[in-house]
Amino acid sequence: EVQLLESGGGLVQPGGSLRLSCAASGFIFSSYAMTWVRQAPGKGLEWVSSISGSGDKTDYADAVKGRIIMSRDNSKNTLHLQMNSLRAEDTAVYYCAKDFWLRDEPSRFFDIWGQGTMVTVSS
Amino acid sequence: QSALTQPASVSGSPGQSITISCTGTSSDIGGYNYVSWYQQYPGKAPKLMIYDVSSRPSGVSNRFSGSKSGNTASLTISGLQAEDEADYYCGSSTSTSALIFGGGTKLTVL
Repeated sequence: EVQLLESGGGLVQPGGSLRLSCAASGFIFSSYAMTWVRQAPGKGLEWVSSISGSGDKTDYADAVKGRIIMSRDNSKNTLHLQMNSLRAEDTAVYYCAKDFWLRDEPSRFFDIWGQGTMVTVSS
Repeated sequence: QSALTQPASVSGSPGQSITISCTGTSSDIGGYNYVSWYQQYPGKAPKLMIYDVSSRPSGVSNRFSGSKSGNTASLTISGLQAEDEADYYCGSSTSTSALIFGGGTKLTVL
């Protein structure tokens, strides 16, 4: 079964850091681009970042650029999101999502999503 | 970049058809055929319903269809069923290699 399992969420103070992880199983992880999408409480979806299958290329939303680093370890089928200088507006459920197309470059379509991990930024 | 514009809510009776619009600009919807639609139930992860404007992934009912005209994309659900009651989000690639979503539309089946 194709599965994504996020972890690492929690409560953090403004200005703090957090590292999210996403464990993938059931598919050839290195063959697919991956993406993080977040959803603030009661709000809509917001794209955060994407990474190519090889890990060579990353894209970030303007709202997080310079504060967030997305990476992947294809040997461990794991995705990471290092979040620094966190702000209240970063409070959200963070989903990792698998790209729909079997190719290195992100397509921006996601067919498998994790259950999400909640990040709360508050003092 | 601003979010795509969707109506906050739409409603319909079982068996009817409804259409959800998603309006962007020439830098996103109007410039690319990379429009997607997701269905999301409360407390659950989104599900891909439409990609490439009008293509359906395997397993998605053919009651769901997508289209685009200029800067506006649309999702049509025909033969409305109670299980279709959910939030729906459109998404589009942009000229800056980003992805933007709409604000979401709550579908109520009366």
